[in-house]
Amino acid sequence: AQSVTQPDIHITVSEGASLELRCNYSYGATPYLFWYVQSPGQGLQLLLKYFSGDTLVQGIKGFEAEFKRSQSSFNLRKPSVHWSDAAEYFCAVGDHLGNQFYFGTGTSLTVIP
Amino acid sequence: EAGVTQFPSHSVIEKGQTVTLRCDPISGHDNLYWYRRVMGKEIKFLLHFVKESKQDESGMPNNRFLAERTGGTYSTLKVQPAELEDSGVYFCASSQGGLGQDTQYFGPGTRLTVL
Repeated sequence: AQSVTQPDIHITVSEGASLELRCNYSYGATPYLFWYVQSPGQGLQLLLKYFSGDTLVQGIKGFEAEFKRSQSSFNLRKPSVHWSDAAEYFCAVGDHLGNQFYFGTGTSLTVIP
Repeated sequence: EAGVTQFPSHSVIEKGQTVTLRCDPISGHDNLYWYRRVMGKEIKFLLHFVKESKQDESGMPNNRFLAERTGGTYSTLKVQPAELEDSGVYFCASSQGGLGQDTQYFGPGTRLTVL
């Protein structure tokens, strides 16, 4: 069965520090992978996505993610976090039939000055 | 371009009452999805419309939930009668294509509280 695991419920980092949010998936075929971010009062905004090709994907707001098939992972990274990055982050796998996304439970990010 | 909008943003009702949530997708998007997030858990799929037809409703919890998309534009999700376990945030999303790699654009959600 398809599933997505985000092992970290909450992470706190200092502004300017690097960030890595973990995502592991279980899916029978080559996955379509997405990272979304939700700021308070806002909808989920797409940060980046991976379908095929280069396993290092660049997204908006300075984020990147790397697909590692051997580890079934799609971790999100940012070299230097800004206070405005405080939000909740969701990893998702797209169903090949196009009917739904499978989401992880989300990681809440706090940025301290 | 206007994004996905949802109404209301919050709803507080008592057990046994009826609530109707509305979603307006991005104009031109044939695919519309409903999801729900119960507190502390993952966002879970409820159903998928292609235009006015239900493509997949396998995630609908039970027959107290009724989704419609008349005319293939906006959609409503009715809960009748509401139970305590229906509390959560209901998200709507839309996409142009209906394949797994097509980006789904999400609305801000409706927070439903059943007392």
